This record gives sequence, structure tokens and C-alpha cells, in this order.
Amino acid sequence: GDSVTQMEGPVTLSEEAFLTINCTYTATGYPSLFWYVQYPGEGLQLLLKATKADDKGSNKGFEATYRKETTSFHLEKGSVQVSDSAVYFCALESNRDDKIIFGKGTRLHILP
Amino acid sequence: GAVVSQHPSRVICKSGTSVKIECRSLDFQATTMFWYRQFPKQSLMLMATSNEGSKATYEQGVEKDKFLINHASLTLSTLTVTSAHPEDSSFYICSAQGGGRGWGETQYFGPGTRLLVL
Repeated sequence: GDSVTQMEGPVTLSEEAFLTINCTYTATGYPSLFWYVQYPGEGLQLLLKATKADDKGSNKGFEATYRKETTSFHLEKGSVQVSDSAVYFCALESNRDDKIIFGKGTRLHILP
Repeated sequence: GAVVSQHPSRVICKSGTSVKIECRSLDFQATTMFWYRQFPKQSLMLMATSNEGSKATYEQGVEKDKFLINHASLTLSTLTVTSAHPEDSSFYICSAQGGGRGWGETQYFGPGTRLLVL
């Protein structure tokens, strides 16, 4: 079945460092891909998404490109801030149904 | 963007009691709502999918008699945890999808409800 694999955390970086969180997926067809963020004590927020190959999603300085050839959707940010500390979930939505399949999440700690 | 609310945000109950959690789409009509469960430091696991006016579809391993879902209107779905036990303690999150465009329609997530069963 469809699945999402993302790098395990926690990831700890200093402020202004470059961030990459790897995400790869397995799916039949052409899924939509998402990154969600969950701040402490809060629910999920959609961070960015891409619906077809080579699309780049971006928001709040974060970017991710839908790479069909490598089945990847890595999340990047050039300069992280303390306020980016959260758990980040990579996810896909199958084109066969509306179910979203989540990765296990990556906890990010940014040190001042 | 679309707003989804959940109530209550946090609930503590005694073992054996039932707890109802509401999920509302505030500014759009949600033809489909989803209920997820999240254990500490784990990913979200889909529990069930509900379409307005019809019975919910439960994922494998989810007890439908324990987790009662009602999607009575296009803006409200409820999850009732019946005869709750400590192992039901978790973070329950709903999402809502609407617009009638089916596949590709974005799901909007509620803020979650933290349930603690003593």
C-alpha cells in the first residue's frame, strides 16, 4: 500500500542554519504531497503542498519539490528560526481516495 | 483559509464514561470529515471517514461500537468515545473536506482534542 517515510528526529539546529528534512513516498498513480507542521500543544497546519511532478510548494520560507523520479518531497529552509521548532509531517493523498497517509513526523528543535 | 474547530480542546473523564467530541467547519460545508488519533510522539492514524448523512467508514482495527461517529450536517461531525478506558487517552484530530470536487480537495484540520481517561 501507499506509505510515507521521513527522517527520524529529533533534529537540532542552531538559529539561521540550513534545514533539510527528507521525505520519500511509495504510491501508485499520482498522489498529492504535503508538509504539515504541528506546533507544541496545537493541531496540524498545512505548511505547503504540491499536486504534480516538478511542482514546488513554498510557504514561510520553506520549500519542497515533488520529485517523481526519486519519489521524494524533501523539506528545506535556508535559515531557520527558533519559532520553527515544531513537529513536521510529510504526507500524501492518494488519487484513488481522499485518505491522507502521514509519515511518523520529525521533531525539530532550533536553538537560539 | 478554511477554519475547522473542535470542542472541547481538552477533556478529563473517569473510566467507563462516554465522551463526545465535536468537529465543526466554520466557513464551508464539509461533505466529508475524517477522524484521526495521535499517540504521543507518533503520527496521525486515520480512524474513520464520514460523509454527511451516511454511515462512517472505519479503518481496520477501529471498533465502530466504541468510537461512534455522526455526521448529521454539512458543518458538524461528532465522535463519541463510549465507555472510555485509560488506553483511549489520546489526541483526537478531525479534518474536513468540502466543495464537492472530490479528489484533490484539501483537508483542513481542527486543533485537536486531548482526552485523558483516569
